[in-house]
Amino acid sequence: DGGITQSPKYLFRKEGQNVTLSCEQNLNHDAMYWYRQDPGQGLRLIYYSQIVNDFQKGDIAEGYSVSREKKESFPLTVTSAQKNPTAFYLCASSNSGSGAGELFFGEGSRLTVL
Amino acid sequence: GENVEQHPSTLSVQEGDSAVIKCTYSDSASNYFPWYKQELGKGPQLIIDIRSNVGEKKDQRIAVTLNKTAKHFSLHITETQPEDSAVYFCAATLGVNRLAFGKGNQVVVIP
Repeated sequence: DGGITQSPKYLFRKEGQNVTLSCEQNLNHDAMYWYRQDPGQGLRLIYYSQIVNDFQKGDIAEGYSVSREKKESFPLTVTSAQKNPTAFYLCASSNSGSGAGELFFGEGSRLTVL
Repeated sequence: GENVEQHPSTLSVQEGDSAVIKCTYSDSASNYFPWYKQELGKGPQLIIDIRSNVGEKKDQRIAVTLNKTAKHFSLHITETQPEDSAVYFCAATLGVNRLAFGKGNQVVVIP
């Protein structure tokens, strides 16, 4: 089945450790996105990529890094510089790089920093 | 202020009644307005969208209306059912290549 797969679903880490969240899609979409979701805050854009080997910062990129070496993969690293990393992270892809097309979301990764 | 604002933040309706959620946006260049539904523990899913050259769009029990002059758009759910209980997000295009999301509405359908 086509879709977006995020892993792990739940992740616990100690303060000061870097964490990498995986996002894989087999929809053949060029554009991929990472959002952070906090209670009552909606979805805030961390990074996005419109094409392989290219990505741009979103609204809250500080303390995060990404790579886009393959079309189907867009991993997100939450670094120790991110001051408040505990959150629900959502990855999405789209066949429209203009922002004016359907986003297909994964089921999310919940990160808890102890 | 926020690029996209949603009201109310929580809405409770009796099963069978209608639910209406309203969003306002600030960027007059926005031209695409989707609505997403998020069930507990899952990612959001697109339920309906509208583009700026259309004033209303319907899909069975859901509809979206757009007022570009007033910069607001609304989601209408008729004959609500328990499975409509979820968080609903509106969004609007912001600049190039971006979507700005509202903070979400929790809709509770009371059986």
